[in-house]
Amino acid sequence: EAGVAQSPRYKIIEKRQSVAFWCNPISGHATLYWYQQILGQGPKLLIQFQNNGVVDDSQLPKDRFSAERLKGVDSTLKIQPAKLEDSAVYLCASSPYMGAGTEAFFGQGTRLTVV
Amino acid sequence: GENVEQHPSTLSVQEGDSAVIKCTYSDSASNYFPWYKQELGKRPQLIIDIRSNVGEKKDQRIAVTLNKTAKHFSLHITETQPEDSAVYFCAASIRVTSGTYKYIFGTGTRLKVLA
Repeated sequence: EAGVAQSPRYKIIEKRQSVAFWCNPISGHATLYWYQQILGQGPKLLIQFQNNGVVDDSQLPKDRFSAERLKGVDSTLKIQPAKLEDSAVYLCASSPYMGAGTEAFFGQGTRLTVV
Repeated sequence: GENVEQHPSTLSVQEGDSAVIKCTYSDSASNYFPWYKQELGKRPQLIIDIRSNVGEKKDQRIAVTLNKTAKHFSLHITETQPEDSAVYFCAASIRVTSGTYKYIFGTGTRLKVLA
């Protein structure tokens, strides 16, 4: 089966600019996750969707980050305005459903560099 | 609080030796514990997982043990090979609401297998 698709793979922007990332999960997967992975750290959950509803966004910096999954399929994550500390790899993952014990399949990630 | 601690942060072993990585979690309701392997520049991939109703699970050279009372779980890799070199992340399921879960990741262990 096709994996989780993300674009772009790399992005370099100046601070205070805006940026958007796109994710297409595995077909039929109801749950979609956005993680931020800063170099040398573990993935940190930013937001989790079940279909088109938000399950958890407690770690999302809502003053600058936003995400949507309008039709319950693909999703976009936006940062506006970006800060230097937003430099990280943004990983999208999906799983068939949301019960504990379901594998999360990760995309290749988008490496963001803010200069 | 939601916390998963992982140790050590780096681990070097000789080829053929065993490697052990340990994680502790804080939420007593956690009931699913996956381990992911991330090679340089690649996506995290699930290598083994364990549910709270079992104490140990093995898959060839990889095993995971779980101690629910102490709230810790460990990854064991035997007969290590150079291709085992990667960053390993543990994770624990955290209940968001009844029937919904999210995964909190540890900080990662960089394993180097020396030939």
